[in-house]
Amino acid sequence: QKEVEQDPGPLSVPEGAIVSLNCTYSNSAFQYFMWYRQYSRKGPELLMYTYSSGNKEDGRFTAQVDKSSKYISLFIRDSQPSDSATYLCASPYSSASKIIFGSGTRLSIRP
Amino acid sequence: ETGVTQTPRHLVMGMTNKKSLKCEQHLGHNAMYWYKQSAKKPLELMFVYSLEERVENNSVPSRFSPECPNSSHLFLHLHTLQPEDSALYLCASSRGTGATNTGELFFGEGSRLTVL
Repeated sequence: QKEVEQDPGPLSVPEGAIVSLNCTYSNSAFQYFMWYRQYSRKGPELLMYTYSSGNKEDGRFTAQVDKSSKYISLFIRDSQPSDSATYLCASPYSSASKIIFGSGTRLSIRP
Repeated sequence: ETGVTQTPRHLVMGMTNKKSLKCEQHLGHNAMYWYKQSAKKPLELMFVYSLEERVENNSVPSRFSPECPNSSHLFLHLHTLQPEDSALYLCASSRGTGATNTGELFFGEGSRLTVL
């Protein structure tokens, strides 16, 4: 079983829709979680991180963690074509030198 | 130059060639990483260099050889690669690797490697 699993997509939604991206993880030792965004032909960049269960909001983005079910979500409100990218969830394992990534979900926002 | 820069951006090599990937970070960070990104697979950590530690993924074949001459430069030397080594190789840096590090990695744009 992979430590962090994501549906690879692709996921295609119309502009303005609410997008839900999800990950599951298997290791109860994971303490905090991150979402990275990777545009085509670019390296990933950190979008959001959250330390515990609950929600964290940043503009149109909301990260949600449910530790009881080992489920991580990223919601995007009022989605824009510029949000089209691959989204990777991640968690550091024991230290920041070993960050476990999911395989990424490719998202496309149709104008 | 700002951020993390990688050269070359694209590389095609035969299985008997020797080549090197170069990474330079201009962020004042003291930890650098090599990751391998293959289609539909999670990012795979290959090597970490920092003041606190050097980490090697034991599953990385010896045909990949890292070199970190200082905190700003990182190389990945390649020799006798296989076609399955074709992938995007990403370099990243961070402020450190200790427990206080938030885990934010700053990635370069990657070197796309094709092994014929």
